[in-house]
Amino acid sequence: GDSVTQMEGPVTLSEEAFLTINCTYTATGYPSLFWYVQYPGEGLQLLLKATKADDKGSNKGFEATYRKETTSFHLEKGSVQVSDSAVYFCALWLSYNFNKFYFGSGTKLNVKP
Amino acid sequence: DTAVSQTPKYLVTQMGNDKSIKCEQNLGHDTMYWYKQDSKKFLKIMFSYNNKELIINETVPNRFSPKSPDKAHLNLHINSLELGDSAVYFCASSLVGDTQYFGPGTRLTVL
Repeated sequence: GDSVTQMEGPVTLSEEAFLTINCTYTATGYPSLFWYVQYPGEGLQLLLKATKADDKGSNKGFEATYRKETTSFHLEKGSVQVSDSAVYFCALWLSYNFNKFYFGSGTKLNVKP
Repeated sequence: DTAVSQTPKYLVTQMGNDKSIKCEQNLGHDTMYWYKQDSKKFLKIMFSYNNKELIINETVPNRFSPKSPDKAHLNLHINSLELGDSAVYFCASSLVGDTQYFGPGTRLTVL
């Protein structure tokens, strides 16, 4: 069935380190892909998205490229800050499945000064 | 200015009680959702409504009953609360297939 798999956390990095959070998906169609971020005590908010193969989503220094050949949408940032500490969720949406989003299990990122 | 609001933010109650959580969105979206997030941050969809019609009803105990009086509101009523219902419940809204906007969450604690 349709699903999203994320790398398990927590991920602990020092400030200014390079970040990669892996996300792969299984889908029978052509999904739209999303990264959401959840800061402590808050709801999820959209970080970036891509709606077709080879699209790159970017926001606040984060990037992710929709790779159809590897069914992946890995999140990257060149230099993380303490304020990036949060839980990151990868998600997909398929047009034939109407309203349903599939979320990954979330990856907690801790950035130390 | 709040896009998706939920009340209450915290809910502490005894086992066996009945409680409701309210959700409102002012974004003009046609689709609303309820999610349950457990202590490990795993997010599980419970229900989805499109234009007041139930679209998604995942495997959720029938003690949980959503109600959508209009497109801007989606409430969640829970009967006979159990310890395992303790979690954070998120409401969200979207246009079909587009970005979901989440509320701040309701932390439910069942004692």
